[in-house]
Amino acid sequence: AQKVTQAQTEISVVEKEDVTLDCVYETRDTTYYLFWYKQPPSGELVFLIRRNSFDEQNEISGRYSWNFQKSTSSFNFTITASQVVDSAVYFCALSVRLNRDDKIIFGKGTRLHILP
Amino acid sequence: DTEVTQTPKHLVMGMTNKKSLKCEQHMGHRAMYWYKQKAKKPPELMFVYSYEKLSINESVPSRFSPECPNSSLLNLHLHALQPEDSALYLCASSQDSGGRQHFGDGTRLSIL
Repeated sequence: AQKVTQAQTEISVVEKEDVTLDCVYETRDTTYYLFWYKQPPSGELVFLIRRNSFDEQNEISGRYSWNFQKSTSSFNFTITASQVVDSAVYFCALSVRLNRDDKIIFGKGTRLHILP
Repeated sequence: DTEVTQTPKHLVMGMTNKKSLKCEQHMGHRAMYWYKQKAKKPPELMFVYSYEKLSINESVPSRFSPECPNSSLLNLHLHALQPEDSALYLCASSQDSGGRQHFGDGTRLSIL
C-alpha cells in the first residue's frame, strides 16, 4: 500500500509555542519524494518543502524545520515560535510513480490553530 | 503571486449547464494536473496530462472532460454535474519527475 498518515486531525497552540506535525508514510518504491504543503483559509496550496528518499538530512528554513527518518518512515514538520499567520491546514504528501508520471498522495491534513 | 492561473475563481451552475474551467501556466512545465478537493478533505487527483497527452485518469466520471489544447493550457469541461460535484477544483503543473507541483488558487464550484 502507498499512503500517508497524519494522525493529528487538529492542533491548537498558543502563539510563540513550538508545534510538531507528524507524518508517517508507506511506499513500496525505493525512490520517492515527500512534500509538505500549507493550505491557508484562502484555499491555495503553498509548497513548503520537497525531500527525496536518498536525502535524510534534516532541513531548517527560518522557523520551519523538518525531520526525515527512513527507519521509521516519518517526515515530521516543526514550527518554532508559532505565529497566528501559521494557522492553516498542513498536508504531508508522497509522490509515487504511475505509468511515466507522478501521482501525489496526500495525507488527510492537520488543521493548525495558532491562538493569539 | 501564483504562477498557475485558474479561471473563474467561483462558478455556480445548474445540473443541466455546460461550463469549462481553465488553467494556464507559462513556466514551460511538461505536466499538468486536475485535482478535486471537498471541504475538510485532501486534494484528490483527477487527471494528469504529460506532453499534452492524457496520462492518468483516476476513474473520473465522464461528465468531467479534460482537454489540453497546448502545453500551457488545461481545460476541464463540465456537463450534467451533480450536487456532490460541488468542490474546489485545483490545477497544478510540474516540470520534472517527482518534482514540486505548482498549484493555482482553484475554482470554487457550486452545483445547484
